[in-house]
Amino acid sequence: GAGVSQSPRYKVAKRGQDVALRCDPISGHVSLFWYQQALGQGPEFLTYFQNEAQLDKSGLPSDRFFAERPEGSVSTLKIQRTQQEDSAVYLCASSLHRLNTEAFFGQGTRLTVV
Amino acid sequence: GQQLNQSPQSMFIQEGEDVSMNCTSSSIFNTWLWYKQDPGEGPVLLIALYKAGELTSNGRLTAQFGITRKDSFLNISASIPSDVGIYFCAGQSGAGGTSYGKLTFGQGTILTVHP
Repeated sequence: GAGVSQSPRYKVAKRGQDVALRCDPISGHVSLFWYQQALGQGPEFLTYFQNEAQLDKSGLPSDRFFAERPEGSVSTLKIQRTQQEDSAVYLCASSLHRLNTEAFFGQGTRLTVV
Repeated sequence: GQQLNQSPQSMFIQEGEDVSMNCTSSSIFNTWLWYKQDPGEGPVLLIALYKAGELTSNGRLTAQFGITRKDSFLNISASIPSDVGIYFCAGQSGAGGTSYGKLTFGQGTILTVHP
């Protein structure tokens, strides 16, 4: 596609529910990032993929967060047993190759845990 | 961890005025980027800076990469209503093997332009 596509745009989850957020990066982009953006804050890094390899997951806040990119294109961010503090916008970004810092962001998924 | 301090937090200006915002860091960055985020959208890249001292323009936007590599500023000249939004600075350090573009963002500057 023309840009990074994320789905769903909005997700309301009951506390304790598992959620899965999808990211379709720009075709051919090697690098894929997930960021978490709390209300009124800048995005914060969660994890990085180079093709299918998850090279950095240092930003994942707990072991309830899991990300995958099995075929090096579409990625899924999964949050198990959601908590209220998980409420945020989850942004996906992709860039052409590892050394290219000009990442293109999707519109994000707004997760609200009630 | 690394933190970027962005100021001001918000600005209210009249259409036609010039705007300046800046970002400072306690650590060095190899790349500085400026993004704009509209409500309900993801950040959109405005300008990327790769060398200390570099001054780059994109239309009415001008940004500079500080000589110390610890700061950057963004200027918007002759503001128009569609400039409204949140502006974020972001830095990429390349430290600890993170040469793949991992970004640290500032807290954002909320810009309001009155017609």
